[in-house]
Amino acid sequence: GAVVSQHPSWVICKSGTSVKIECRSLDFQATTMFWYRQFPKQSLMLMATSNEGSKATYEQGVEKDKFLINHASLTLSTLTVTSAHPEDSSFYICSALPGGCFGPGTRLTVT
Amino acid sequence: QKEVEQNSGPLSVPEGAIASLNCTYSDRGSQSFFWYRQYSGKSPELIMSIYSNGDKEDGRFTAQLNKASQYVSLLIRDSQPSDSATYLCAVISSGSARQLTFGSGTQLTVLP
Repeated sequence: GAVVSQHPSWVICKSGTSVKIECRSLDFQATTMFWYRQFPKQSLMLMATSNEGSKATYEQGVEKDKFLINHASLTLSTLTVTSAHPEDSSFYICSALPGGCFGPGTRLTVT
Repeated sequence: QKEVEQNSGPLSVPEGAIASLNCTYSDRGSQSFFWYRQYSGKSPELIMSIYSNGDKEDGRFTAQLNKASQYVSLLIRDSQPSDSATYLCAVISSGSARQLTFGSGTQLTVLP
């Protein structure tokens, strides 16, 4: 049990486009989902905490208008990177509570 | 002050030895504790969760929690080269804002 999926697993896009990443809890209801970003050889960086039915709480320094988070149901949260730029290229990972499992991650490359 | 602290390592142990990974946390009210393993370029994988004081064993892994000392550890018995990875300690903070706070991770290398 406690499986979390992400889609897509990787995406390459041109600078200026928007990219949507989905995080789903497959066999449980996720009351809370977390979105992280990880650059190569660096630690996980929490971007935001998402509770179903309420606005996401963003960490300091994370632009909420650039990284739009929607947690519309107990099994789905989405992260949209708006007007992506090369510096947004990173590994984006979600995790969910209860359970604490991570999704497999989405590798975003912006050219 | 960081909320969850781990020795960054790197920690090297010979194959077959016991690897000991340590973690301390600052929020005394924390109730849930997790150990993850992360291979390079991959998402963290949950190894163990522990909620009560004492030891919890799962195969070659043993998690130990001491809430009075605000300390949680992970022991890996009979270490294998495939155990070489970064190990992350995580804690769910107390209060209404449930947040999974991570340590910076300990890089473990098991030498064949």
